[in-house]
Amino acid sequence: DAGVIQSPRHEVTEMGQEVTLRCKPISGHNSLFWYRQTMMRGLELLIYFNNNVPIDDSGMPEDRFSAKMPNASFSTLKIQPSEPRDSAVYFCASSAFSNQPQHFGDGTRLSIL
Amino acid sequence: GENVEQHPSTLSVQEGDNSIINCAYSNSASDYFIWYKQESGKGPQFIIDIRSNVGEKKDQRIAVTLNKTAKHFSLHITETQPEDSAVYFCAAEEGGSYIPTFGRGTSLIVHP
Repeated sequence: DAGVIQSPRHEVTEMGQEVTLRCKPISGHNSLFWYRQTMMRGLELLIYFNNNVPIDDSGMPEDRFSAKMPNASFSTLKIQPSEPRDSAVYFCASSAFSNQPQHFGDGTRLSIL
Repeated sequence: GENVEQHPSTLSVQEGDNSIINCAYSNSASDYFIWYKQESGKGPQFIIDIRSNVGEKKDQRIAVTLNKTAKHFSLHITETQPEDSAVYFCAAEEGGSYIPTFGRGTSLIVHP
């Protein structure tokens, strides 16, 4: 079991640039989650997919954020255009069923200058 | 919606002491409770969970207790070790929802 794989691990870019974060969930898991973690707000759920379909995107902060899951083994979170306040650690997690633990990747540390 | 309050925000103990971290939740429909451990530079990792039909669950040095009447659950670590130093998060989830609500985390510092 390779676990949830996220890339890149670190991203530093200038404001206004497009940022794409990638996630490969654990094989066989049918739910995928994107979170943002900051000191001020803690762990925030951005969006949740079930069977590749977005179910709840109420946590997506603005239209600058978008997420896709084209198939069961890949998801992206895109920010366009990026702003300094988007700087945070972004986590992807997957789970097999409701009421089961989520498995987190090691995150992408994003810095927008 | 659910609200989860976690205390303390920082817990400093001596090696060998017992540690307790507490979480209170608001949604009486929540029936699945989870604890995660986050080490520096890594994502939260599942350590133990409990369902609403059970009052206590143990796994070696860690245990979780649940009081559904009080809407409160706790993480217990016996004989705390330096490798237990990390940030611990609790989470509560309503049956069938897929979406846990997380506490704000407790930074556990273990002094040798």
